[in-house]
Amino acid sequence: DVQLQESGPGLVKPSQSLSLTCTVTGYSITSDYAWNWIRQFPGNKLEWMGYISYSGSTSYNPSLKSRISITRDTSKNQFFLQLNSVTTEDTATYYCARYYGYPRGYFDYWGQGTTLTVSS
Amino acid sequence: DILLTQSPAILSVSPGERVSFSCRASQSIGTSIHWYQQRTNGSPRLLIKYASESISGIPSRFSGSGSGTDFTLSINSVESEDIADYYCQQSNSWPTTFGAGTKLELK
Repeated sequence: DVQLQESGPGLVKPSQSLSLTCTVTGYSITSDYAWNWIRQFPGNKLEWMGYISYSGSTSYNPSLKSRISITRDTSKNQFFLQLNSVTTEDTATYYCARYYGYPRGYFDYWGQGTTLTVSS
Repeated sequence: DILLTQSPAILSVSPGERVSFSCRASQSIGTSIHWYQQRTNGSPRLLIKYASESISGIPSRFSGSGSGTDFTLSINSVESEDIADYYCQQSNSWPTTFGAGTKLELK
């Protein structure tokens, strides 16, 4: 079965960069699909942040385009989120998820989420 | 970006009742709408894809309908395990976006 698991620092200071890891088991991220980061703010709003495709191409939400980078380590079947210059408004639960059926698809597998707090 | 408006924000129901959730898109999106359930402290779970297509493992009491700009998720006979937040997501155009959600609570 496909499983995704996020990991990260939990707490980041304002102006620093955050780095999160998504470890995928049960499916190779180089076989197919797009591998995404989605965040959920306090109050529950969901925001798609970006993806890295099975081929390595990336796409980002324009609202984040100058601050975000998604990369991968195919040997470990992991992909990563880096978000620069964080503020308290980046406090959220961060999910990684698989997107099935590009371009007009849906998120069929999600991680359990990792909570990130931005605070000094 | 396409805006998805979900209503109502909160639905109060008794077990066994039928309930419907609304999701309205700011422009026509065909049937590129998908529904998710999120229980307390859980991750979103896919319930319905492409407006009305069922998902393996999801109880048959969940159904979806609609096209264009107006979409509905229905639960035929609510059970206590259905208490959760429900979100719609559009994939007609990027960036993909989500509605703000409807909270289902017990009366």
